[in-house]
Amino acid sequence: GAVVSQHPSWVICKSGTSVKIECRSLDFQATTMFWYRQFPKQSLMLMATSNEGSKATYEQGVEKDKFLINHASLTLSTLTVTSAHPEDSSFYICSVSKGSGYNEQFFGPGTRLTVL
Amino acid sequence: AQRVTQPEKLLSVFKGAPVELKCNYSYSGSPELFWYVQYSRQRLQLLLRHISRESIKGFTADLNKGETSFHLKKPFAQEEDSAMYYCALTQGGSEKLVFGKGTKLTVNP
Repeated sequence: GAVVSQHPSWVICKSGTSVKIECRSLDFQATTMFWYRQFPKQSLMLMATSNEGSKATYEQGVEKDKFLINHASLTLSTLTVTSAHPEDSSFYICSVSKGSGYNEQFFGPGTRLTVL
Repeated sequence: AQRVTQPEKLLSVFKGAPVELKCNYSYSGSPELFWYVQYSRQRLQLLLRHISRESIKGFTADLNKGETSFHLKKPFAQEEDSAMYYCALTQGGSEKLVFGKGTKLTVNP
């Protein structure tokens, strides 16, 4: 498998501030990471695919200028929620893929964001 | 667009009873189907995938292309099976997962 951590596990911020969430692959060099958002009692929705060394690929309807993704190394991807608003409050989850042909994703524990 | 439907939000059974969690998908190509599980206070993890044709923790799932279904079954449910179960698919060649809305399974003593 792969061990994935996220930091912080929860964060509360004021409206208008920016919040950075880290996703680390602890035992595997990941060229591809995924970022999901999960609203209460709803399913995981893929936000973007994070590619090491290149720009992230965003899903339709996800604002790339609001949700900045940086995947500068094979073990770290960051998601920055810029100018957060209450409607951005959600559970953000990252996952690591071991590459095509394997097709299993390994998930982080998630980060609970609450915007006041 | 591809879609995964889990018609039951909640499913409650007694210990020892059979359980079936339904999953239907819509996709024109040849998807790969998965079941992911999330136990209380734990992260999401893979339970099984159709391509492996394996039984994990007593669970099996058969891909029925005619009915576009991938139902998860276990003949005798255990209390420790209580969890949130998500059916998911990837489209051919892509690593992107499309999730269903999930079914919360409760196994009562």
